[in-house]
Amino acid sequence: DTGVSQDPRHKITKRGQNVTFRCDPISEHNRLYWYRQTLGQGPEFLTYFQNEAQLEKSRLLSDRFSAERPKGSFSTLEIQRTEQGDSAMYLCASSLAYRPYEQYFGPGTRLTVT
Amino acid sequence: AQRVTQPEKLLSVFKGAPVELKCNYSYSGSPELFWYVQYSRQRLQLLLRHISRESIKGFTADLNKGETSFHLKKPFAQEEDSAMYYCALSSGNAGGTSYGKLTFGQGTILTVHP
Repeated sequence: DTGVSQDPRHKITKRGQNVTFRCDPISEHNRLYWYRQTLGQGPEFLTYFQNEAQLEKSRLLSDRFSAERPKGSFSTLEIQRTEQGDSAMYLCASSLAYRPYEQYFGPGTRLTVT
Repeated sequence: AQRVTQPEKLLSVFKGAPVELKCNYSYSGSPELFWYVQYSRQRLQLLLRHISRESIKGFTADLNKGETSFHLKKPFAQEEDSAMYYCALSSGNAGGTSYGKLTFGQGTILTVHP
């Protein structure tokens, strides 16, 4: 296992388009997290899953954002009708449920909305 | 609302000098505090956790509930310590759904000069 992977690594899209990102966690990890990071800031929590259940979602997450983890393995994060303010690095992390603070991060997907 | 503040965006020291990266938090309950580190071209990773009270790579951090601080210290900095450091907080309620949901500070870039 090479760790958490994310695809794509970079995405450039035009305002108003929909985008979808994928995250593959470490195989034995049952928790999966999504964070967003803008320039000069630390990662900001978006949502997390335990197995296939989405347990918490940030109030900052608008209804244009949706995340799924259908089989409790990989996860997708979709942003509909992208806006320039969505430009950021989107980070995925995974952990064991009994050690949720020890999160293993992926390399991130950098989104640029033009 | 929980918040983590790292007052220094940049910190420069010379090799062999002591280093202290400051972190202050606000949280109404009993938090767990962590330091995460990101070396150049690497992923974000856990450095240490306050509950474990261990020294990792020569770094230690003590939780001071009276001052709501969790400063990271190392007595003799090394060039390989140069990295971005993030302080993070989680709810300390191990049975709660928010346990493991991390709130990050803005980060401090540490540069250790030869």
